[in-house]
Amino acid sequence: NAGVTQTPKFQVLKTGQSMTLQCAQDMNHNSMYWYRQDPGMGLRLIYYSASEGTTDKGEVPNGYNVSRLNKREFSLRLESAAPSQTSVYFCASFGIEQFFGPGTRLTVL
Amino acid sequence: ILNVEQSPQSLHVQEGDSTNFTCSFPSSNFYALHWYRWETAKSPEALFVMTLNGDEKKKGRISATLNTKEGYSYLYIKGSQPEDSATYLCASSNYGQNFVFGPGTRLSVLP
Repeated sequence: NAGVTQTPKFQVLKTGQSMTLQCAQDMNHNSMYWYRQDPGMGLRLIYYSASEGTTDKGEVPNGYNVSRLNKREFSLRLESAAPSQTSVYFCASFGIEQFFGPGTRLTVL
Repeated sequence: ILNVEQSPQSLHVQEGDSTNFTCSFPSSNFYALHWYRWETAKSPEALFVMTLNGDEKKKGRISATLNTKEGYSYLYIKGSQPEDSATYLCASSNYGQNFVFGPGTRLSVLP
């Protein structure tokens, strides 16, 4: 089992560019999450999907959109990137425990 | 939105010392309390999940307790080792499976 995979691992964008972060899990979990991690802020929930076909806002959803493509995949889209979105992004899935992907380090110039 | 707090923010102990951290969380709409270990440049790894008041979990030298009535959980490390150095996160989840994380306690174990 690969667990939770994320692509890309690193990305540099210019202000105003768009991109999609991909996440997939092979543990047959219903729930999937997107977090961002900033220095001194811990992990903050952006969006989550408690089951296929549903998505809900977390603590910091502004500037992001998500798509739960199927049970395995949950993508995060930045439509117009801003420097404030420079962060490390983690995807996670939850069954009994929450498993995290390796993270995507995004820099917006 | 839930507000989860952890103390202390950071901690330095000597190898062999025992230590403990605190996580406090609102009791309303509570479903479960989760502890994670997060090493630098890696992803958080789940340590424990607890749901019932009075729950106690143990994994090797690490254990945790839960008090849902007063809204706190303790994580204990017995005989700290340098490899225990990491940030320890707690998170509270509700019935809607919304997770809120605390800011973490950064532990450094000095040899």
